[in-house]
Amino acid sequence: QSVLTQPPSASGAPGQRVTISCSGSSSNIGRNFVYWYQQFPGAAPKLVVNKNDQWPSGVPDRFSGSKAGSSASLAISGLRSDDEADYYCAAWDDNHDLFVFGTGTKVTVL
Amino acid sequence: DVQLLESGGGLEQPGGSLRLSCEASGFTFSNFAMNWVRQAPGKGLEWVSVISASGDRAYYVDSVKGRFTISRDNSKNTLYLQMSSLGAEDTATYYCARGNFDGVPAAPYYWGQGTLVTVSS
Repeated sequence: QSVLTQPPSASGAPGQRVTISCSGSSSNIGRNFVYWYQQFPGAAPKLVVNKNDQWPSGVPDRFSGSKAGSSASLAISGLRSDDEADYYCAAWDDNHDLFVFGTGTKVTVL
Repeated sequence: DVQLLESGGGLEQPGGSLRLSCEASGFTFSNFAMNWVRQAPGKGLEWVSVISASGDRAYYVDSVKGRFTISRDNSKNTLYLQMSSLGAEDTATYYCARGNFDGVPAAPYYWGQGTLVTVSS
């Protein structure tokens, strides 16, 4: 199955900005919306970016998404200790008729 | 508030079957597509299946095709995942997730807390 590629880890000091990349292909990110999920250990995932760059209700605008071609990015600005979590990108894949998730990125606040 | 409560997980032997349920509340269940997503211990997220709001369309990841069946009962606000021919590779926490609209594909938007399925002899 196709998988979206993310860096395994990212880090930054409190208050800084960290960016996570998500690389896909023309059949998934290239044609469809990208979603970003935040997951704390032992908890269910939570949607933090909807349809490439929209904020779900209750999500602070410190989280911002973007997409260009077959790649997408999540930026977290004003980094806080409670942003430490795993982050996953996701998109529908038209060639395989399935929803694909990224490999996941662990964000650490230094 | 949207609430999704999974149940039906547990320990099952290889080759066995289990049926997971997801009881929904806090929204009009019949208006939204529903997903199942799983996560093996210590691993990333893997999408399993989606079903449209009316139940007339469904998609599956290749690894479960022919073994798992997604279904829903809109009169009971409940989503199901019938799993058969279970193998060790199916060991995971299974999450029920509401889609963001009625058709498919519909991205997981709200998630339940998950139910753990362990396949082992």
